Amino acid sequence: ETGVTQTPRHLVMGMTNKKSLKCEQHLGHNAMYWYKQSAKKPLELMFVYNFKEQTENNSVPSRFSPECPNSSHLFLHLHTLQPEDSALYLCASSQDLGQGGDTIYFGEGSWLTVV
Amino acid sequence: GENVEQHPSTLSVQEGDSAVIKCTYSDSASNYFPWYKQELGKRPQLIIDIRSNVGEKKDQRIAVTLNKTAKHFSLHITETQPEDSAVYFCAATGNQFYFGTGTSLTVIP
Repeated sequence: ETGVTQTPRHLVMGMTNKKSLKCEQHLGHNAMYWYKQSAKKPLELMFVYNFKEQTENNSVPSRFSPECPNSSHLFLHLHTLQPEDSALYLCASSQDLGQGGDTIYFGEGSWLTVV
Repeated sequence: GENVEQHPSTLSVQEGDSAVIKCTYSDSASNYFPWYKQELGKRPQLIIDIRSNVGEKKDQRIAVTLNKTAKHFSLHITETQPEDSAVYFCAATGNQFYFGTGTSLTVIP
């Protein structure tokens, strides 16, 4: 248990569905992240939030919509996804944005399958 | 921004042998270098890290070395065991986290 909790752990959705992934961190961190990890591919940074403000959108398609209501919660809203969006979505948090030897902690991930 | 390269992408070793994974980075401002292990179906977990003011750090069978001049750092696993089989990611951080592309390590019993 790292203090970063993701729900649901598994999600199957159709291409016309709307669903959301939820992440909660209990570590008192200020920064939260969404990463995408496809089979046999590296970690792809999607979004970064620092103190609830989005600091990075790594050219992510608009069918992925993040929401950060406070420093402890992060959502990823999904709509009209494509089969190629099937992947493991990892939420992570860190005290700050990596300054001074900051460490990033990952949640268990949400396995998404788009059918 | 920072660019982190990691090699090799796959590595197979016999149980008991050593494994070495190497990473290079481009931004001299990066000052913290963690390594993560991701077992199949699980989240990446921090296994060891090193700061820029240190050249080497050991934790039992795992060690990390850093050469700031050459901008490269390496993970060394000695006396490998089957449970070391996983994907390993290096990272370089300054004002952001930059991950390498991962190394899939297989330890053959």
